[in-house]
Amino acid sequence: RKEVEQDPGPFNVPEGATVAFNCTYSNSASQSFFWYRQDCRKEPKLLMSVYSSGNEDGRFTAQLNRASQYISLLIRDSKLSDSATYLCVVNQAGTALIFGKGTTLSVSS
Amino acid sequence: DGGITQSPKYLFRKEGQNVTLSCEQNLNHDAMYWYRQDPGQGLRLIYYSQIVNDFQKGDIAEGYSVSREKKESFPLTVTSAQKNPTAFYLCATDAGLRNTEAFFGQGTRLTVV
Repeated sequence: RKEVEQDPGPFNVPEGATVAFNCTYSNSASQSFFWYRQDCRKEPKLLMSVYSSGNEDGRFTAQLNRASQYISLLIRDSKLSDSATYLCVVNQAGTALIFGKGTTLSVSS
Repeated sequence: DGGITQSPKYLFRKEGQNVTLSCEQNLNHDAMYWYRQDPGQGLRLIYYSQIVNDFQKGDIAEGYSVSREKKESFPLTVTSAQKNPTAFYLCATDAGLRNTEAFFGQGTRLTVV
């Protein structure tokens, strides 16, 4: 069962590049959507919640398409510090968070 | 400070021993979760609890046990029945409501020696 699928990566990009990650989910009853960032050997931390209207936080933009059951994350002007694994997370109220396997981003100078 | 605390950070276990990983939170969250992460892999759900005195199996519950006697605490026992216990274990909590984020502890890295 693959409830949440992400681009496998890794993505290797130069500083300043724009990179996009995609994620699809299988359960149409899913209600909450998030992107988490995980650094090597650390716990995941919330990057952004994802809403139907789309949301932006500085260089990061997240989009949700409920009809296609698709979530995206766009990172503009990549920085070295953006290097990490990005996890797509889906939830229904009353059940557990379901994580994608993550997409690894490596930004080089 | 409000937060979620896992202990210990590193744990070594001999084959055949049971070990218990601690997870404590003071966020007053109803929902608590245990995940396992293997190198280069995503998070896999072991057990979760939406309310005190109740918990549900996740995708990989075999060889693990939990309890939820208090809202603040959700300990995970890795039993000798778990054949490949070496992994990074993460505990998380959320408010159990729609669109609320989950908070993670710093994780416990378990190694079988």
